[in-house]
Amino acid sequence: DIQMTQSPSSLSASVGDRVTITCRASQNIDSNLHWYQQKPGQVPSLLIFAASLLRSGVPSRFSGSGSGTDFTLTISGLQPEDFATYYCQQSFSAPYTFGQGTKLDIK
Amino acid sequence: EVQLVQSGAAVKKPGESLRISCQGLGYMFTGFWIAWVRQMPGKGLEWVGIIYPGDSEARYSPSFQGQVTITADRSNKTAYLQWSSLKASDTAMYYCARQRQLERHLHYYYYMDIWGTGTPVTVSS
Repeated sequence: DIQMTQSPSSLSASVGDRVTITCRASQNIDSNLHWYQQKPGQVPSLLIFAASLLRSGVPSRFSGSGSGTDFTLTISGLQPEDFATYYCQQSFSAPYTFGQGTKLDIK
Repeated sequence: EVQLVQSGAAVKKPGESLRISCQGLGYMFTGFWIAWVRQMPGKGLEWVGIIYPGDSEARYSPSFQGQVTITADRSNKTAYLQWSSLKASDTAMYYCARQRQLERHLHYYYYMDIWGTGTPVTVSS
């Protein structure tokens, strides 16, 4: 299985901050990397697919980059509704494994 | 509206069997893979497996192979996740999700664009 490692596991930030979450794959996955957001008590939702493509309706303050083994999710100008847990997931080869998650909370 | 409608909460005893469901509405059900994802209490997301309702091809994570069975009924536009003998460690929220395919620069990307509301499963004696 391909292992996905996110860092940090948790992060405290303030409204307006710029934050970056990283995701590393245990082998080359090209751009087969997707980011999901899960708010407490809610269903996960897709933010970014194919490493850098923003899902329609997702605010432009979210961006993704990377290819191969190293990827980043950046939120520029945190809003109160962005405090959530973020997961990366690879779909290069099954099983399509997730990272362990990064919990973003308010400082 | 495209949506995945999941069955309600289940409370079972260890050793019992269970089948939970996920009905795809508002799109061509047979044209998209459906994935199952587990989330244990307070924990992260785990990919269980997927099924293609068009021909019922199913693939499993090695961690779940032999522990669960994924099936689909095209006529009812429904995918299922089932256990023959539940354990307390199966207690979790289970989500289904539609797997979308994107073709870009001769590569295919698969991501989960629509998620069901989740089915909580509790296994306790």
